[in-house]
Amino acid sequence: DIQMTQSPSSLSASVGDRITITCRASQGISNFLAWFQQKPGKAPKSLIYGASSLQNGVPSKFSGSGSGTNFTLTISSLQPEDFATYFCQQYYTFPYTFGLGTNLEIK
Amino acid sequence: QVQLQESGPGLVKPSETLSLTCSVSGYSVSSGYNWGWVRQPPGKGLEWIGNIYHSGSTYYNPSLQSRATISIDTSKNQFSLRLASVTAADTAVYYCVREGAFDSWGQGTLVTVSS
Repeated sequence: DIQMTQSPSSLSASVGDRITITCRASQGISNFLAWFQQKPGKAPKSLIYGASSLQNGVPSKFSGSGSGTNFTLTISSLQPEDFATYFCQQYYTFPYTFGLGTNLEIK
Repeated sequence: QVQLQESGPGLVKPSETLSLTCSVSGYSVSSGYNWGWVRQPPGKGLEWIGNIYHSGSTYYNPSLQSRATISIDTSKNQFSLRLASVTAADTAVYYCVREGAFDSWGQGTLVTVSS
């Protein structure tokens, strides 16, 4: 299985900050990488697919980059509704695998 | 807009079979995409269970040791998950998902395995 390693596992930031979360795949996955946001008690929400393509309706403050094994999710100008848990996922090969998540908390 | 909704028992006894159905509206399951299941144990991360293509082909996570079966009913616009020989480790919120870009998820249903 492809292992997805996310860092950091938790992050404290302030409203207005710009943050970056990284995701590393244990082998190359081209750009078959998605990012999700999850709030407590809710289903994950797709933010980005294809490593850098924004899902319909997702604000442009979210951006993704990377290819191969190293990927990043950047969120600019954090707002209170952005504080949540973020997961990466590879869908290059079966079984699809997820990172363990990054818990973004308000400082 | 596509919507997915899971249904099924919230409590299953150990060694029995977990059965869930995902009802899809706003899109025909026979028109395309893969349809999948993902689970999340309480307080933990996400695990992909498997999927079914609109053609009926299936793929499963080997970690489930052949206990999972996914089927599709195009007449009802639904797809289903059966997980045999469950244990407490199978307690989780189960989500059905439209794959491709994983853009549509059900709200999730908590299944507890307990006697």
